[in-house]
Amino acid sequence: GENVEQHPSTLSVQEGDSAVIKCTYSDSASNYFPWYKQELGKRPQLIIDIRSNVGEKKDQRIAVTLNKTAKHFSLHITETQPEDSAVYFCAASADSSYKLIFGSGTRLLVRP
Amino acid sequence: DAGVIQSPRHEVTEMGQEVTLRCKPISGHNSLFWYRQTMMRGLELLIYFNNNVPIDDSGMPEDRFSAKMPNASFSTLKIQPSEPRDSAVYFCASSRQGLNEKLFFGSGTQLSVL
Repeated sequence: GENVEQHPSTLSVQEGDSAVIKCTYSDSASNYFPWYKQELGKRPQLIIDIRSNVGEKKDQRIAVTLNKTAKHFSLHITETQPEDSAVYFCAASADSSYKLIFGSGTRLLVRP
Repeated sequence: DAGVIQSPRHEVTEMGQEVTLRCKPISGHNSLFWYRQTMMRGLELLIYFNNNVPIDDSGMPEDRFSAKMPNASFSTLKIQPSEPRDSAVYFCASSRQGLNEKLFFGSGTQLSVL
């Protein structure tokens, strides 16, 4: 089955700096890669997703890149702000599967 | 829409007791998922329903866990008997089609088994 690994587990950046979180997956059939943000005590919420027919997607300060050959995808947050502090989860699934498998999460701290 | 509604928000029980968690998915969503979140194991998929039918329950940890979806607007996750290691946050999520669609999570149930 699919296995998703996520790094780093914690990330601390200065406000205004960029943050990058990386994930690798094992199932070559995976073609959907969402990212969820979970604030302390809250529910996970989708912030951006990418499908395998594109290599990059941007939404304001966040972007996701996908390298299908290497089976890895990354989340990029530019001009970080304190409200970006949260746990971020990557995930992967395939059309043939309903299983959205999550990475272990990255705790991002943005220092003011 | 009120989103995915879960109850209770918090549950504290003693080992051996039965626990029932409830979920109301977003109207019109035909896929429903139960996830468990712990520090050690992260977000684990327990079971998935499509059109009220359980598709795969391979993530259910033991026979002590069971889930039902009697209609499109209601699902339950039951643990009987509960054990301390079941302590976790249990999330219900729904989506429109199930496959590669945005998941909408409920607020979760924080379960503590003493």
